[in-house]
Amino acid sequence: SQQGEEDPQALSIQEGENATMNCSYKTSINNLQWYRQNSGRGLVHLILIRSNEREKHSGRLRVTLDTSKKSSSLLITASRAADTASYFCATESNNAGNMLTFGGGTRLMVKP
Amino acid sequence: GAVVSQHPSRVICKSGTSVKIECRSLDFQATTMFWYRQFPKQSLMLMATSNEGSKATYEQGVEKDKFLINHASLTLSTLTVTSAHPEDSSFYICSAPQTGGYGYTFGSGTRLTVV
Repeated sequence: SQQGEEDPQALSIQEGENATMNCSYKTSINNLQWYRQNSGRGLVHLILIRSNEREKHSGRLRVTLDTSKKSSSLLITASRAADTASYFCATESNNAGNMLTFGGGTRLMVKP
Repeated sequence: GAVVSQHPSRVICKSGTSVKIECRSLDFQATTMFWYRQFPKQSLMLMATSNEGSKATYEQGVEKDKFLINHASLTLSTLTVTSAHPEDSSFYICSAPQTGGYGYTFGSGTRLTVV
C-alpha cells in the first residue's frame, strides 16, 4: 500500500518558473527519496534525504524534510521543458524492511 | 553508476500464455530485487521482494503461483507472469538497492499487454 500522498497530483507551469511538489507520509522513516519518471520509462533517483536532515540541494533541486509534520517538498528552480515528467516521493523505514513505499506522484508539465 | 538492465521493454502476448521478464544488475551484485507494478497514471505498487538464493516475499493480494519470481544469482532476477490475462496488462518495474544506502536503481520497465 502507498505510504503517503503527493500534492498536487498534476502541475502545469511555464519554462523558467519554479515547481514545488509536496509529499506527506504516515510512519516514521529512515529516509525519504525523490524519483523522476518519464512517460513509460523506469524511475531515476534524484535525491535522498535522511531523517536527521532538514534540507538538501542538488543542482536545481531543493528538498526539505519536516519529520514533525511527516512531510517533504521538492522544489525545482528555473524549470525547463525537459523537466516534464512524473515525480514520486518514496520512504524507507525500519518497519518495512528495505523496501520503498511510494507516494501517488505529481505529473509535472513545463510548457516552453 | 549502478545499472539494472530490464528486458523486454515491451511485450504483447495472448491470454493464457506466460511471459518472463528479466532484470540484470550490471557492475554490481543485487542480493535483493524489488518488483513493482504500475497502472497508467498511478504510482508504483510493490508486488514482491526477491532475495538471491531464497524464496521471494510477496505482498498481500499478489498471487505467488501466478507471478513466479526467481533470483538464482546475484546478478539476475526474473518475474514470470503465468497464464496471463488482460487484467495483468501493466507496467512492471524492478529495482535494486544501491550500496552505501544511496537510493535504488530501477530497471527501465516492461510494458506488458495481454490480448
